[in-house]
Amino acid sequence: QQQVKQSPQSLIVQKGGISIINCAYENTAFDYFPWYQQFPGKGPALLIAIRPDVSEKKEGRFTISFNKSAKQFSLHIMDSQPGDSATYFCAASVAPGSARQLTFGSGTQLTVLP
Amino acid sequence: NAGVTQTPKFQVLKTGQSMTLQCAQDMNHEYMSWYRQDPGMGLRLIHYSVGAGITDQGEVPNGYNVSRSTTEDFPLRLLSAAPSQTSVYFCASSRGRGNSPLHFGNGTRLTVT
Repeated sequence: QQQVKQSPQSLIVQKGGISIINCAYENTAFDYFPWYQQFPGKGPALLIAIRPDVSEKKEGRFTISFNKSAKQFSLHIMDSQPGDSATYFCAASVAPGSARQLTFGSGTQLTVLP
Repeated sequence: NAGVTQTPKFQVLKTGQSMTLQCAQDMNHEYMSWYRQDPGMGLRLIHYSVGAGITDQGEVPNGYNVSRSTTEDFPLRLLSAAPSQTSVYFCASSRGRGNSPLHFGNGTRLTVT
């Protein structure tokens, strides 16, 4: 049972284009939504995260849009670059007051063509 | 700082063999966890620990054991390897408070034949 559904599975974008990756969740108790970026042979690394009390968060070329009523959130990569080619995972967790147990989406393999 | 260090990077086992995947962190993080990554399934939590001497099960704990005798180390044991345990295993740690990010190691690719 996958509590966080991610799409698309793979994405090919031209350099300078916009990459959009979508995630939907079921558990309304989730209150923290990070995105992780993973390069081949490496572990995932935190890219950007959002709490449900805001609808958008931007860090450089990366933006998370959050729609609480639809239980959806998405990652937008503006001006995509070949160096952005990686696998991206959305995730979600419930706040237990201490350590967080992240539930990950299935991942999106992004390829940015030069 | 080394961050999270996993050894070995690659391992091939025969069905029924046992082994231990090592994980060490030098950031004095309270929280440590093990994930497995399989194609099309993202990362799934196997076991986690909120401090030395404390461990708990995640989403897919069957076939795996863990212990946390020190803050730095969190080994994952496969008692009797099965082909279904062929995967890439990631260890991660965090300060364990609030929204502290997970810091991942570079993974161990395990093949069970």
